Amino acid sequence: EAGVAQSPRYKIIEKRQSVAFWCNPISGHATLYWYQQILGQGPKLLIQFQNNGVVDDSQLPKDRFSAERLKGVDSTLKIQPAKLEDSAVYLCASSPQGHGYTFGSGTRLTVV
Amino acid sequence: AQSVTQPDIHITVSEGASLELRCNYSYGATPYLFWYVQSPGQGLQLLLKYFSGDTLVQGIKGFEAEFKRSQSSFNLRKPSVHWSDAAEYFCAVGTGGATNKLIFGTGTLLAVQP
Repeated sequence: EAGVAQSPRYKIIEKRQSVAFWCNPISGHATLYWYQQILGQGPKLLIQFQNNGVVDDSQLPKDRFSAERLKGVDSTLKIQPAKLEDSAVYLCASSPQGHGYTFGSGTRLTVV
Repeated sequence: AQSVTQPDIHITVSEGASLELRCNYSYGATPYLFWYVQSPGQGLQLLLKYFSGDTLVQGIKGFEAEFKRSQSSFNLRKPSVHWSDAAEYFCAVGTGGATNKLIFGTGTLLAVQP
């Protein structure tokens, strides 16, 4: 079974620039999550999709972050404009019904 | 509010020694509990999980964890640590229900001395 694919692996941008991350979940997994992991902290949920609908985006800074999951499969997470404090690893995870979460390797974002 | 506390930020053990990583949770209902391991530059790998039943759970790589409801704890143990176990360890609680999301602790960084 293929895992959760994320790209790019690394990204360095200047503050106020925009950036986008891509995630391809495990085939058939209805639920997709984006987590933000700041250095020295545990992952924090940004947004959760069930198929192509948003279940929880209460922690997403909507003034600069946006996410979509077209056709209930792939997902993109965008930051515009980026701030220094957005430097983090962005993890995508997917899950079928139940509690079988699988995480991707993440995208490490550095904002300078 | 739901939360997970990992009191130890950094632990160093000698290779071959036993290990216990502490985890305490706060959750109103029956918790779904997880331990994940993260090596540098890698994603999160599931070590073990507890949903119900036997409170002593066996996982991969020789790890086990014990759910103690009275103490709101889910500590991770390994009888003999190997150098390859050096990594960061995260405890998490799953909320279940409609939202079904993971809430993570801040992690414990494990160093292994030769």
